Amino acid sequence: GAGVSQSPSNKVTEKGKDVELRCDPISGHTALYWYRQSLGQGLEFLIYFQGNSAPDKSGLPSDRFSAERTGGSVSTLTIQRTQQEDSAVYLCASSSPNQPQHFGDGTRLSIL
Amino acid sequence: ELKVEQNPLFLSMQEGKNYTIYCNYSTTSDRLYWYRQDPGKSLESLFVLLSNGAVKQEGRLMASLDTKARLSTLHITAAVHDLSATYFCASEDTGTASKLTFGTGTRLQVTL
Repeated sequence: GAGVSQSPSNKVTEKGKDVELRCDPISGHTALYWYRQSLGQGLEFLIYFQGNSAPDKSGLPSDRFSAERTGGSVSTLTIQRTQQEDSAVYLCASSSPNQPQHFGDGTRLSIL
Repeated sequence: ELKVEQNPLFLSMQEGKNYTIYCNYSTTSDRLYWYRQDPGKSLESLFVLLSNGAVKQEGRLMASLDTKARLSTLHITAAVHDLSATYFCASEDTGTASKLTFGTGTRLQVTL
C-alpha cells in the first residue's frame, strides 16, 4: 500500500494478557518509529528502528514492552502482562532520511 | 531532555478570523514539524521547517521558524470550518535517533 499500515485498528483485552501490534511501513523507508498517544501523556516516543536494529529504545516504559523488526520492513510491538495504564493509541511512523515521518492510523488498545 | 511547549491548548475562533499558535522548544534542534490530526485519525504532515527564518505556506496556514528564539508559529488566516482539527508541533532530536518530541497539541475549533 501507499501508506503506513497498522493492525489491528482496535484491540480490547483483559488485564494481564499479552498483545502484539503490527506495523507495515512505507516500502523503502529504512527508519521506523513507535509512539504512544494517551490523554494524560500526549504523544510519547517509544522506540526507533534503523533497518532491523533499534539504536534507541529509551521510550519503552517498562520491560513488559518489546519490539522487533524483521527484513527491514514489518515491525511488531509486544506488550506482556498488560495493565490498564497501557490503554492508549499506539502509532507507528516510517521515514526516509531527511524526510518527515509518515504515520499510520494507529492501534487503539483498551485494557479492561 | 528536549521539551516542547505549545499554546494555546484550545482555540475557538470564528470563520474569517486570524490567529497564531505558538510552539517553544528547549534545545538547539533545528528541525521543526507541524502535523494535523482529525478526530480518530492519524497525523498528517503539514510543514517541515529546516532552518532559521524558514517560512512555509499552504493555503490558509503559514508556519515559521526562529531557531534563535527556539520558537515556531503556525498562523491561520481567515479561518474556515474545515481547518477544525488538533495541530501538533514536533521538534526533531538531531542525534542518532531523529525521534520527534511533540507539543501538547492545540485543538482548533472554527465556528460558523
